[in-house]
Parts: sequence; C-alpha cells; structure tokens
Amino acid sequence: AQSVTQLGSHVSVSEGALVLLRCNYSSSVPPYLFWYVQYPNQGLQLLLKYTSAATLVKGINGFEAEFKKSETSFHLTKPSAHMRDAAEYFCAVSGYTGGFKTIFGAGTRLFVKA
Amino acid sequence: DGGITQSPKYLFRKEGQNVTLSCEQNLNHDAMYWYRQDPGQGLRLIYYSQIVNDFQKGDIAEGYSVSREKKESFPLTVTSAQKNPTAFYLCASSPNGGSVNLYGYTFGSGTRLTVV
Repeated sequence: AQSVTQLGSHVSVSEGALVLLRCNYSSSVPPYLFWYVQYPNQGLQLLLKYTSAATLVKGINGFEAEFKKSETSFHLTKPSAHMRDAAEYFCAVSGYTGGFKTIFGAGTRLFVKA
Repeated sequence: DGGITQSPKYLFRKEGQNVTLSCEQNLNHDAMYWYRQDPGQGLRLIYYSQIVNDFQKGDIAEGYSVSREKKESFPLTVTSAQKNPTAFYLCASSPNGGSVNLYGYTFGSGTRLTVV
C-alpha cells in the first residue's frame, strides 16, 4: 500500500525567507515522487519529480526536493520565497503495486508575507 | 502549444440532471484521468483510461461515467446518481498508460461544478 502525508495544511513565510514544505510517504515498492503546484482556480503544474536517479532533484521556479529513503521523505525547498510562490502544493507518489496507483497528499497552502 | 482543454470552466446543474464535462488533449498522450478535488482532501481518482476504447474505475466512480472513443477526448458525465457533485473536476494526461507513472501528469485548468 502507498500513502502520502503532507505536514501542515498551511505554511506562512516572509518574502525572501526559506520555504520548506514537508512530505512523507509510505510505499512497499520503490516509489516515484512528484511535487505539483496549483494556483487558485487552475489545474496542477508539475514542479519536479524523482524517478530513482539523483536524490536531489531540481525543478522549475527555483524549487528543489531531496529524496531521503531512510526518512521516507521528499521535502520541497526554495532558498528565497517570492510573492508569486503563494499557491497550494501537492506531493504525490506512484509505484508498481500490481496495478495503477498514484496517490496525492492533501496539499499545503503556502502564504508569502511582504 | 500542446495541452489539455477543459470546458466549461464553470457549470451549474440542477438536481436530477446529468451533465457532461469536456476534456480534450493534443499531446498525443495515451493515458487520461479524471480527478475530483474537494477542499482539504487532495485529489481523488474518478476514472482513468490507459488506451482508446478502454477505461477503468478509480476510487470514487459511483455516479460518474466516461467514454474514450478518441485518443484526444475523455468526457466525464456526472449523473443524477452522484449525491454530492459540487466540486472542482480536473482532467489529466500522461504519455504512458502503464502501472507506474514515470512522467507525471499534465493537467487541464479544471471545471467547477455547482449544484443549484
């Protein structure tokens, strides 16, 4: 079975501060992990993905995430927040478990204060 | 530019009516998906199709129906049997329809359905 937990439904940071959005996963098979961003009334956009290559993955808009197998984590970070980063972020896991399955986390809304 | 087009963006339905949400892609992707999004619940899979003329139920298929007659199109019908249809509906596609999603999804911009 697979599951995804995003710690914190809301995160607030000041402009220029570090962004850290937490994602922990559970998977009985090697996982493929994704981060998506959603702006209000829009669809989701893929930020980055981990598919068993380098454990530190760089994505669009200056975001990156590190796969830590020992901690079953895939946290999303950005060194310096911009106002335009305010959105909702979703972590997702996919893996072969005898059938199709991609599981999304419940999402974390990021607020950026001026 | 390639992408996914969902229409309409907003849809209002009276109780007891069926409505159909459109999803069209020009990415030449094999697989297409419908998700439902409710506040605080993330995305839940309604139906998916790995190839033309084939589709499978997801986690919350009751009260919904789909068809996949063309590679580019995957319309979703919300029937009167769906007891709580008010939600944001997202269509997505991916290049492969295999058991593992290696590429991630391309999403449409969504349709917000409200029952009045």
